[in-house]
Amino acid sequence: GDSVTQMEGPVTLSEEAFLTINCTYTATGYPSLFWYVQYPGEGLQLLLKATKADDKGSNKGFEATYRKETTSFHLEKGSVQVSDSAVYFCALIIGAGGYNKLIFGAGTRLAVHP
Amino acid sequence: SQTIHQWPATLVQPVGSPLSLECTVEGTSNPNLYWYRQAAGRGLQLLFYSVGIGQISSEVPQNLSASRPQDRQFILSSKKLLLSDSGFYLCACRQGRKDTQYFGPGTRLTVL
Repeated sequence: GDSVTQMEGPVTLSEEAFLTINCTYTATGYPSLFWYVQYPGEGLQLLLKATKADDKGSNKGFEATYRKETTSFHLEKGSVQVSDSAVYFCALIIGAGGYNKLIFGAGTRLAVHP
Repeated sequence: SQTIHQWPATLVQPVGSPLSLECTVEGTSNPNLYWYRQAAGRGLQLLFYSVGIGQISSEVPQNLSASRPQDRQFILSSKKLLLSDSGFYLCACRQGRKDTQYFGPGTRLTVL
């Protein structure tokens, strides 16, 4: 069935370090792909998305490119800040019309230290 | 754009007690609504979704139920809570046929 696999955390980085969080997926067809971020004690916020192959989603310095050939959607940021500390979820969407379901990865916790 | 409210923000309940969590949405009409649960240290699991008033689909068999009495109101309930019902409950909204779901702030439920 459809699934999302993320790298296990926690990921611990120093401020201004480069970030990569790996995400691969299994799906029939060509799903839309998402990254959501969850700050401590809060709900999920949409960080970025891509709807077709080779699309690049970007927001707040984060980027991810939809790679159909490797079924991946890795999240990157060139220089992380302490305020980026959060849990990051990769997700894909299946279904169309009235039925539309998000499949999430397990989440990757990022801790950025000054 | 839509705003999603969830109430209460936190809740501590004894085993066997009833539950009612509320989600209301502003700024959109006829939304698709979803309830997700996030257990400690785990990802998110879809519990219920609704495409309209009175229309509820369940994703997994469980101790919980959902209702949609109004277009922009989605309620999660239980008659008797179990310890395993503890978690962070998130309501989400999707507008029309767009593919993006937006999430509320969540309710943290602890069952003792």
